[in-house]
Amino acid sequence: GQQLNQSPQSMFIQEGEDVSMNCTSSSIFNTWLWYKQDPGEGPVLLIALYKAGELTSNGRLTAQFGITRKDSFLNISASIPSDVGIYFCAGQLSYGGSQGNLIFGKGTKLSVKP
Amino acid sequence: GAGVSQSPRYKVAKRGQDVALRCDPISGHVSLFWYQQALGQGPEFLTYFQNEAQLDKSGLPSDRFFAERPEGSVSTLKIQRTQQEDSAVYLCASSFSRRLLAGDGDTQYFGPGTRLTVL
Repeated sequence: GQQLNQSPQSMFIQEGEDVSMNCTSSSIFNTWLWYKQDPGEGPVLLIALYKAGELTSNGRLTAQFGITRKDSFLNISASIPSDVGIYFCAGQLSYGGSQGNLIFGKGTKLSVKP
Repeated sequence: GAGVSQSPRYKVAKRGQDVALRCDPISGHVSLFWYQQALGQGPEFLTYFQNEAQLDKSGLPSDRFFAERPEGSVSTLKIQRTQQEDSAVYLCASSFSRRLLAGDGDTQYFGPGTRLTVL
């Protein structure tokens, strides 16, 4: 099935570092979302973006919806240990005005530097 | 309030067995989605309901997969004659609105998933 191109696939963080990840698509989406998934749990929504060019913050998280509507990035500032996990970007399709399913990236796995 | 719940959380099946996975969405949520998440991958869409109507089943990988939501609340995903490639986490998500609105109304809330292992 279709998946978005998400990078990097994995990264190691040290407490206090800033983290950046991005997502690109060959298709246009009306909505971009960023989710975090912890082991054994379902994805939890972090940030939703609804307008091209929109920059949205949620605490230490900042995300932008690309002008072309084909890309998005997520920044995490001053990372803390509980930031470890897998982050997914997702584009949302629509059905003639009604919301539709999500197309996910393959995820970026954040781990703590040994 | 209660979130999306799924049962069982873990299921081990022998190849060829039928399985049924249950999803209890958040009360009052109109839309319900099923996703399949293979190990190390992002979730992939299977099917979508608005109330009891199955509006999109384009993601179901074969005719062995069947989903229903007869009363517009609880949904069941059934897999017949399971194969090893069916092993994955099956996620259910629900959301309140049916119209495309900007805001919390169209946020999809995910359950914890059912991890299916086919031996």
